[in-house]
Amino acid sequence: RKEVEQDPGPFNVPEGATVAFNCTYSNSASQSFFWYRQDCRKEPKLLMSVYSSGNEDGRFTAQLNRASQYISLLIRDSKLSDSATYLCVVIYTGTASKLTFGTGTRLQVTL
Amino acid sequence: DTGVSQDPRHKITKRGQNVTFRCDPISEHNRLYWYRQTLGQGPEFLTYFQNEAQLEKSRLLSDRFSAERPKGSFSTLEIQRTEQGDSAMYLCASSWVAGLPDTQYFGPGTRLTVL
Repeated sequence: RKEVEQDPGPFNVPEGATVAFNCTYSNSASQSFFWYRQDCRKEPKLLMSVYSSGNEDGRFTAQLNRASQYISLLIRDSKLSDSATYLCVVIYTGTASKLTFGTGTRLQVTL
Repeated sequence: DTGVSQDPRHKITKRGQNVTFRCDPISEHNRLYWYRQTLGQGPEFLTYFQNEAQLEKSRLLSDRFSAERPKGSFSTLEIQRTEQGDSAMYLCASSWVAGLPDTQYFGPGTRLTVL
């Protein structure tokens, strides 16, 4: 079983739709959580950190449920430019900020 | 451009050859990480340096792989006797550690194809 699991998709949604991605992690000794975005053949870029209280950045909302070891990302009012792969990332306690990535969920926003 | 840079961006080599990649981190960043990403997968941790010290190596890093960061600035990753399974994108990231989980900034990667 992978340490960080995501539905690979692809998720095909029309512009303006709301889409949600889920991620589960297996190691309860987890310290920090992030969503990264990766465009085709490009490097990953930090989208947002994920906090226990939930956090929002414009059209993006991230949630963390430590009891269920579950992370989510909600994108509202999808834009064509949101088309990318979204990577769920965990840092485990005592691993010196080593990032553990999920396989990524691919999003394609269409007209 | 003050971001992380990697060289070369693409490398095609024949099986059995040695290759070396370079990473220049963001200036003043004290941590440098190497990751490998294969098609359809997320990046996987290979190794990291704090200044010039290599503090952790993944089990993915076989004896054919070696990484250095001699002066605590740029880093090199060498793969000896390349195999087709080494074909991947090799990503470098750097960060400034100040006690809290640090934000890692990735370079554009070196795409290796082993024929």
